[in-house]
Amino acid sequence: GESVGLHLPTLSVQEGDNSIINCAYSNSASDYFIWYKQESGKGPQFIIDIRSNMDKRQGQRVTVLLNKTVKHLSLQIAATQPGDSAVYFCAAEALSGTALIFGKGTTLSVSS
Amino acid sequence: GAGVSQSPRYKVAKRGQDVALRCDPISGHVSLFWYQQALGQGPEFLTYFQNEAQLDKSGLPSDRFFAERPEGSVSTLKIQRTQQEDSAVYLCASSWRGQGGYEQYFGPGTRLTVT
Repeated sequence: GESVGLHLPTLSVQEGDNSIINCAYSNSASDYFIWYKQESGKGPQFIIDIRSNMDKRQGQRVTVLLNKTVKHLSLQIAATQPGDSAVYFCAAEALSGTALIFGKGTTLSVSS
Repeated sequence: GAGVSQSPRYKVAKRGQDVALRCDPISGHVSLFWYQQALGQGPEFLTYFQNEAQLDKSGLPSDRFFAERPEGSVSTLKIQRTQQEDSAVYLCASSWRGQGGYEQYFGPGTRLTVT
């Protein structure tokens, strides 16, 4: 079946460092990918998305890279801040075209 | 504007009880989704509505789970005869488009504990 997985369950960085969170997906037909941030006790919060016709997209302090050849997705956070501490999920749109398939999440810890 | 809201935020049920979880999507959003999130895991899709039509219920784990959205706005997820394995956070999300490829906005979730 379709799956999305993350390479590292936890990532610890110092404030001001750049963070990179990686993700792999199984279905080469996936057309839409999205990153969410989830803080304790809250629902997932949209960070950035990317479609399969792009390989890079930038937002405010965040960049998503998509490598369709190896089915790999990454989220880069520039100048990481303590407020960035959370669980980060990547998700791929299922073949159904509606549901999102989530990975297990990477817990990012930022120390000052 | 207001985001997706869910109620109750916390629910404790004794095994065998029925529960009803409510979702108020963002006004005007066509699509509504329910997800189940077990502790330490990513959300898992349960069901999808486009307006009042339930177009995909492939993720519902058993026939004890039932969802409705009768007027194409508020949705209710009902779980009958709750079991301990139903303990999880139930997330509702909405999207303004009636098709894929657009971000889903999530509510805060309802944490269900079955004792």
